[in-house]
Amino acid sequence: QVTLKESGPVLVKPTETLTLTCTVSGFSLSNARMGVSWIRQPPGKALEWLAHIFSNDGKSFSTSLKSRLTVSKGTSKSQVVLTMANMDPVDTATYYCARISGVTGEIDYWGQGTLVTVSS
Amino acid sequence: DIQMTQSPSSLSASVGDRVTITCRASQTISTYLNWYQQKPGKAPKLLIYAASSLQSGVPSRFSGSGSGTDFTLTIRSLQPEDFATYYCQQTYSTPLGHTFGQGTKLEIK
Repeated sequence: QVTLKESGPVLVKPTETLTLTCTVSGFSLSNARMGVSWIRQPPGKALEWLAHIFSNDGKSFSTSLKSRLTVSKGTSKSQVVLTMANMDPVDTATYYCARISGVTGEIDYWGQGTLVTVSS
Repeated sequence: DIQMTQSPSSLSASVGDRVTITCRASQTISTYLNWYQQKPGKAPKLLIYAASSLQSGVPSRFSGSGSGTDFTLTIRSLQPEDFATYYCQQTYSTPLGHTFGQGTKLEIK
């Protein structure tokens, strides 16, 4: 059974760095063509793709947020870590991690999401 | 970045109706286009991948078509559980990212 779960702070202060961890089970991050995406959704707004990392360690980032984002595999083989620097109240959103699978890169499994609020 | 534009942004329809949602890419993306359904408070769910392939377990009343820059999601004979927000996503260029459309909210008339 494939599952993904996001974990991290629910509240961060402006200018702080957000660190979120995605813990996966039911598949291996080493499998060919497998990857993990990070997507966020401000309350009442649309989905926004942030970044992804693949089994071969290939990474990509949203152009508008590239300077603030890092993504890496954790020390555990089943974790992916996203960091976002210099958080601002507009970054308040539900953050999802999700599995990219298949030749055409579709997302077939999503985490439940974690709401992160940015406020002093 | 590849920009994805959905239309309409919102749509009212009745149970039993046939509805079509359109997604346009800012450059050609072949058939690297996926459709997701999202209900309030829930994570999105994959409906269609590679423009026209139905994800396992998704009812056959959902269908997708298109290639290049123009794509459509069609729901034949709307059911009460289909009222949700729908997003397209391009996965054409991994280095350029996998952007989403702005969403189409399907509401009950």
